[in-house]
Amino acid sequence: DGGITQSPKYLFRKEGQNVTLSCEQNLNHDAMYWYRQDPGQGLRLIYYSQIVNDFQKGDIAEGYSVSREKKESFPLTVTSAQKNPTAFYLCASRPAGINEKLFFGSGTQLSVL
Amino acid sequence: SQQGEEDPQALSIQEGENATMNCSYKTSINNLQWYRQNSGRGLVHLILIRSNEREKHSGRLRVTLDTSKKSSSLLITASRAADTASYFCATSNSGNTPLVFGKGTRLSVIA
Repeated sequence: DGGITQSPKYLFRKEGQNVTLSCEQNLNHDAMYWYRQDPGQGLRLIYYSQIVNDFQKGDIAEGYSVSREKKESFPLTVTSAQKNPTAFYLCASRPAGINEKLFFGSGTQLSVL
Repeated sequence: SQQGEEDPQALSIQEGENATMNCSYKTSINNLQWYRQNSGRGLVHLILIRSNEREKHSGRLRVTLDTSKKSSSLLITASRAADTASYFCATSNSGNTPLVFGKGTRLSVIA
């Protein structure tokens, strides 16, 4: 069953704590993306990776970090430097190429305790 | 930076009616895509239209693109209660640059 798996579905963060959101895909896609969605808003790009061991900052990278050690995996860490982390986080992937659609995971809702 | 702006922000219609959503963008694009999101879920790709295309159909969906006006519209014909969702346009301006999403239109279809 191919697709993108995000875990956990819900995550709670205490003040000063780093948390990591998991994103795994078995679609053999080269590019992977992390978006943040606030209530009633669109998606804003946090980080993206076009190839293993390489990634670029998006529009709102401050307070976040990523790694891309394997093609299938693109975990996102929300650090304590991110002062307003409560949001819905979406991971997506797509093959390399100009006219390719994104495949999304089912999202992780992060809340602050 | 948010490239696309959908209009209206929210739309409520009766089942069986047509729903039209619009998207405007600012810079030149390679393609424009429409996605659907059910509440609390990930986005699902609906349709892609390239910059050299003017109209595209997929089932009950019809998308138009006017590059001179930098705008696109999504028409859902004979809407159903199951079409209730948020709809987003997203643009790609070159190569493998990430898609840039608008803020979406919330569609409610009342049975």
